[in-house]
Amino acid sequence: DVKVTQSSRYLVKRTGEKVFLECVQDMDHENMFWYRQDPGLGLRLIYFSYDVKMKEKGDIPEGYSVSREKKERFSLILESASTNQTSMYLCASSWDEYQPQHFGDGTRLSIL
Amino acid sequence: QQPVQSPQAVILREGEDAVINCSSSKALYSVHWYRQKHGEAPVFLMILLKGGEQKGHDKISASFNEKKQQSSLYLTASQLSYSGTYFCGTERGTSGSRLTFGEGTQLTVNP
Repeated sequence: DVKVTQSSRYLVKRTGEKVFLECVQDMDHENMFWYRQDPGLGLRLIYFSYDVKMKEKGDIPEGYSVSREKKERFSLILESASTNQTSMYLCASSWDEYQPQHFGDGTRLSIL
Repeated sequence: QQPVQSPQAVILREGEDAVINCSSSKALYSVHWYRQKHGEAPVFLMILLKGGEQKGHDKISASFNEKKQQSSLYLTASQLSYSGTYFCGTERGTSGSRLTFGEGTQLTVNP
């Protein structure tokens, strides 16, 4: 079974802090994704990566950056956390566009 | 552009049927369906590629009408375990593996 592991289930940070969310997949998938999930808004794509060191902006990249130095690891960075970034963050990975995306359990991030 | 799902919420009794629709204003290449139970990760159900195919497993099936840019998910003889939020994710064939998800349909199955 594919395993996508997110480093924390719950995280509390302060406004202005630099926040790192880590995601690791164990299936050698090419593609990795970061989503943000808010009630009534569904899953919104922040960034995705289709190869090491490659990244593409999603629909809501403002205030975020990403890093993919190794194939199995995809990090989401909040450069200067703000309260409107309080949300559930989900990481996913897939082989390609014809294959399912496999999701991690999510990180519920609160910015105080 | 985000696909539109309908209905937003539906409540069923065990054994009843339901249909969830997913519509896009743009031409689609594929549609993915996922189910998310409360507090858990979304779980893949099925992928439909353009060509009007229909897929299914167990009592859950789906169709994809590329001319109408619409997909429908059919849940037959619903079970308590079907409760959760259903998301469609659409892919336009121009953006690699990137999906755009709808807002979700909350399905509740009661005994």
